[in-house]
Amino acid sequence: GENVEQHPSTLSVQEGDSAVIKCTYSDSASNYFPWYKQELGKGPQLIIDIRSNVGEKKDQRIAVTLNKTAKHFSLHITETQPEDSAVYFCAARKGGFKTIFGAGTRLFVKA
Amino acid sequence: KAGVTQTPRYLIKTRGQQVTLSCSPISGHRSVSWYQQTPGQGLQFLFEYFSETQRNKGNFPGRFSGRQFSNSRSEMNVSTLELGDSALYLCASSLVSQGANTEAFFGQGTRLTVV
Repeated sequence: GENVEQHPSTLSVQEGDSAVIKCTYSDSASNYFPWYKQELGKGPQLIIDIRSNVGEKKDQRIAVTLNKTAKHFSLHITETQPEDSAVYFCAARKGGFKTIFGAGTRLFVKA
Repeated sequence: KAGVTQTPRYLIKTRGQQVTLSCSPISGHRSVSWYQQTPGQGLQFLFEYFSETQRNKGNFPGRFSGRQFSNSRSEMNVSTLELGDSALYLCASSLVSQGANTEAFFGQGTRLTVV
C-alpha cells in the first residue's frame, strides 16, 4: 500500500544552523506534498507545500525540494531558531485519495 | 477568520462506552477529514467527508464512524471503546474534496483517554 518514510526521527541542531528532513513516498501517482509543524498541545500547522509540477519552493527560511524520479522530497530550514523546535510531518497525496503522513521528525534547536 | 474548532478538547471515558467528537471547519470549507494520532502509529487517516458524503475511508474497524451535516460540521463516533483508542483525534478542513489537492488546516484536536 501507500507509504511515506521520513528521516531522521530526531534531529538536534545549534541555533543558526540548517536542518534538513527527508521523505520518500511509494505511490508514484502522488502529486501533492504538504509539510506540517506540530507544537506541543496543538494540531499540525501547514508550513509549506509543493505540487508535482514544481521542483522547489521557498518561503523565507523554509524551502522544499521534490525529486519525482526518485520519489524523494525534503524540507530545508535555514538559520534555525529555538521557536523552530517542534515535530515536523511530511505527507503525500494523490487527487481523490487519502493523505499519507510520515512518522514525524522531532527537531530540537539548541540556543 | 476562525480556524477549525474541535470540541471537547479533553475526554475521559471508560472501556465499553461510546464517544462523539465534534469538528467545525473553517467557514466556507466543505471537506472534513479525521485522523487518529498516537505516539506509536503517528497520524492515521480515519475518513473524509465532503458535502455530507463519506469520500474516503481508512483502515479502522466499524466501531469508528462519522457524519457530516449540511453546514459542513462533522462528528465522529467511537463505540465500544477500547484502551487502544486513547489518542489525539484531529480533524482537518479544506475548501474542496481532497481530490482537488487543496490545503488542509487542522484543529487542535480532542485528547481521548480510555480507562
